[in-house]
This record gives sequence, structure tokens and C-alpha cells, in this order.
Amino acid sequence: DQQVKQNSPSLSVQEGRISILNCDYTNSMFDYFLWYKKYPAEGPTFLISISSIKDKNEDGRFTVFLNKSAKHLSLHIVPSQPGDSAVYFCAAPQEDSNYQLIWGAGTKLIIKP
Amino acid sequence: GAGVSQSPRYKVAKRGQDVALRCDPISGHVSLFWYQQALGQGPEFLTYFQNEAQLDKSGLPSDRFFAERPEGSVSTLKIQRTQQEDSAVYLCASSKSLGNEKLFFGSGTQLSVL
Repeated sequence: DQQVKQNSPSLSVQEGRISILNCDYTNSMFDYFLWYKKYPAEGPTFLISISSIKDKNEDGRFTVFLNKSAKHLSLHIVPSQPGDSAVYFCAAPQEDSNYQLIWGAGTKLIIKP
Repeated sequence: GAGVSQSPRYKVAKRGQDVALRCDPISGHVSLFWYQQALGQGPEFLTYFQNEAQLDKSGLPSDRFFAERPEGSVSTLKIQRTQQEDSAVYLCASSKSLGNEKLFFGSGTQLSVL
């Protein structure tokens, strides 16, 4: 069974504070994980990725942490800005396919001014 | 433009009608993907092209769905005899590599079947 789960449909964070978005998965053989960001009426935009051999990847205000024993990854945004308000998806490549990504249902992040 | 372009942006179809959705990928991108996204869900894989070759169509829900990319650039997703459950946003993505690590998505076509 290969699933990627985002159990929080929405998250509200004060501007300037840290936003933490969570993602759980079931297949320990995923090679890497991706985070995409989506604004209304637009397609998803690639944000950051992490290889399964690493436990952290950082890019500016965005850091992704991978906990393989817990089959859990999280995206940290600090400091949060109003433009970060969007839906965030985590995704992973399906094990038996070179082309298919499995996506979570997304978490809507709202940054309050 | 420099991005992935999809048309039409919105499509309303009567049940039983055929529809065609167009995708113009970023020039030179080898890989092209179609995804279906239902409301409140993540995208679900439909099919993958490497240049003009359709290498994976395992995600197409039924034989009413057909996709092509005859010259290795523009792609068309066709849905025959549309049904209400086909209502969704259809996303096209392209990538310059053979993998799917960094996809560039279009804004999608929102299909509503009445």
C-alpha cells in the first residue's frame, strides 16, 4: 500500500511565526519526497524536495525534515509571510513506476497579518 | 509565454458530450503528464508522455479517456461520452528531464459535466 497523507486540511499561523505542515506516508521505499505550493486558480508550483537518504533539506525560509522511522516529513516555513498563504501538497514517486507521483490531499495555510 | 498553457480554462459539458482539453508544454520539455484533481483532493496521475511516446497510461479511469502528443509537443486529452464523475480539474505538467522530480504545471482546465 502506497499512500501519502496530510491529515490537517487547514492551518492558520500569525505572520512572522513558524508554519509547520505535516505529511505521513506508508511506504518506506519512497526514494524522495516533494512539496508543492498551489495558489487558487493556478497549477501547483514546485517548492522543495528531500531525498530519502537525508533527514533535512533547507532552502531559504523553507526547511523539510524527514523522519524515516516515523514515516513522517514536515515542512517548516520561517518566518511566515502573507504570500505563503496557499495550499501545500506533499508527494512521493510511486515505487513501481518511474512516472507517477502519489499526492496528499493538501493543507491550506492561512497567514494572518 | 514561458509557462505551461492549458485551454480552455473552463469547460461545461452536457452528459454524453465529447470534450478535448489542450496542453502546450514548455518548449523543449521532454516529459508531459496529465493529472486529474477532484475538489479537496491531491492530483491523481492519468498518463505520461516522453516526447511523442505514451509510456504510461495506467491512470486513465476508463477507455473513454484518450490522450495523444503526436509531435512531441502539444498534447490533447480527450474524454468521450462524458459523465458527471468526470467533473474535475485536469492538470497538465511538463518537465525537461525524464523524471518527475520537478514538474511545471499549467493552471488546469476545470471540467463540469451537467
